[in-house]
Amino acid sequence: EVQLVESGGGLVQPGESLRLSCVGSGFIFSSYWMSWVRQAPGKGLEWVATIKRDGGEKIYVDSVKGRFTITRDNAKNSVFLQMNSLRAEDTAVYYCARDLVDDDAFDIWGQGTMVTVSS
Amino acid sequence: SYELTQPPSVSVSPGQTARITCSGDALPKKYAYWYHQKSGQAPVLVIYEDNKRPSGIPERFSGSSSGTMATLTISGAQVEDEGDYYCYSIGSIPNRVFGRGTRLTVL
Repeated sequence: EVQLVESGGGLVQPGESLRLSCVGSGFIFSSYWMSWVRQAPGKGLEWVATIKRDGGEKIYVDSVKGRFTITRDNAKNSVFLQMNSLRAEDTAVYYCARDLVDDDAFDIWGQGTMVTVSS
Repeated sequence: SYELTQPPSVSVSPGQTARITCSGDALPKKYAYWYHQKSGQAPVLVIYEDNKRPSGIPERFSGSSSGTMATLTISGAQVEDEGDYYCYSIGSIPNRVFGRGTRLTVL
């Protein structure tokens, strides 16, 4: 079964950091681009970041550039999101998602991990 | 920034056809994708590349695109089809954009 499992969410104060992890199983992890998508409470979906198969190319939504970093470890079937200088507006459920092959969209999603930024 | 516009809500009776639209300036050149999200659950891809259906998605789901508008059609909507539907596409590279979502009610 193809599966993505996120972890690392929690409650942090503004300005602090958090690192999210996502482990994939049931597919050849290194063959896929991987992404993070978030959803603020009661709001819609927002793409956050994407990383190429070999980690050589990374793209971000403007609102997180310079603060968030996406990385991956293909040996561990894992993708990460390092979030620094967190703001209240970063509060959301963060989903890990697999990109469609040769396509700029997502086909498999994890169940999400909640990040709350509050003092 | 690039935007995809969807109606906030659509309501149909069970067995009727539900149509959800998504408009965007780049849709004549970029594919549209559709995701279904039930309350408290992760999104599920129901249509990709305008009109293709992933394996496991019922045949009542179909997609089309013409000009600046993409449409998701659910022929014979069922109660389990309720939830939020998001269209998705690519704006100016590399930006990936979701519409604000449409709440489908089947009752």
